[in-house]
Amino acid sequence: KAGVTQTPRYLIKTRGQQVTLSCSPISGHRSVSWYQQTPGQGLQFLFEYFSETQRNKGNFPGRFSGRQFSNSRSEMNVSTLELGDSALYLCASSFLPAMGRNSYEQYFGPGTRLTVT
Amino acid sequence: QKEVEQNSGPLSVPEGAIASLNCTYSDRVSQSFFWYRQYSGKSPELIMSIYSNGDKEDGRFTAQLNKASQYVSLLIRDSQPSDSATYLCAVSFSGGYNKLIFGAGTRLAVHP
Repeated sequence: KAGVTQTPRYLIKTRGQQVTLSCSPISGHRSVSWYQQTPGQGLQFLFEYFSETQRNKGNFPGRFSGRQFSNSRSEMNVSTLELGDSALYLCASSFLPAMGRNSYEQYFGPGTRLTVT
Repeated sequence: QKEVEQNSGPLSVPEGAIASLNCTYSDRVSQSFFWYRQYSGKSPELIMSIYSNGDKEDGRFTAQLNKASQYVSLLIRDSQPSDSATYLCAVSFSGGYNKLIFGAGTRLAVHP
């Protein structure tokens, strides 16, 4: 079974621009979560989508948004880029949680390395 | 106060030894616990999940969970140089669908 794929792998943008990142989950996985990883803050949760609905959101400004399509593929968008948005953006997909559990194993894609200059 | 705490390391162990990695989490209702391994320049790779108190073994890896003490650990038996990586502890708290809170990670160095 193919793993989580993310495109593009590397991106260089200028302050003030916007960017869209794409994620294709493992076949059969309907939950997609997005994370930001930086040396200073570590891995931080951005948001999670299931059946095209955002169920959870982390503590990030409104410039960070996302969506999920009917085939479970997901995109995240960052508008008005700032230097501090330079990071590795990771997408993770998950199967449905088992009954009584709110989370199940998440499998990460290779990430998109975003550099803002 | 951070919700998930790990020693940053580096934790240095000789080849063949047992590496013990620890993680504590804040006093909230927690349900799911995960260990990830991350090599430099790569994305996190899931090693173990554990959901109930006790031990869970998978090959050379054993995860231990003690909810009363808010403590989860990962033991790596017969450590190999290829195990040298950063190990991330992740916790999912109640109400957070697939929202993982990560510790800062512990760097493990296994020397021949």
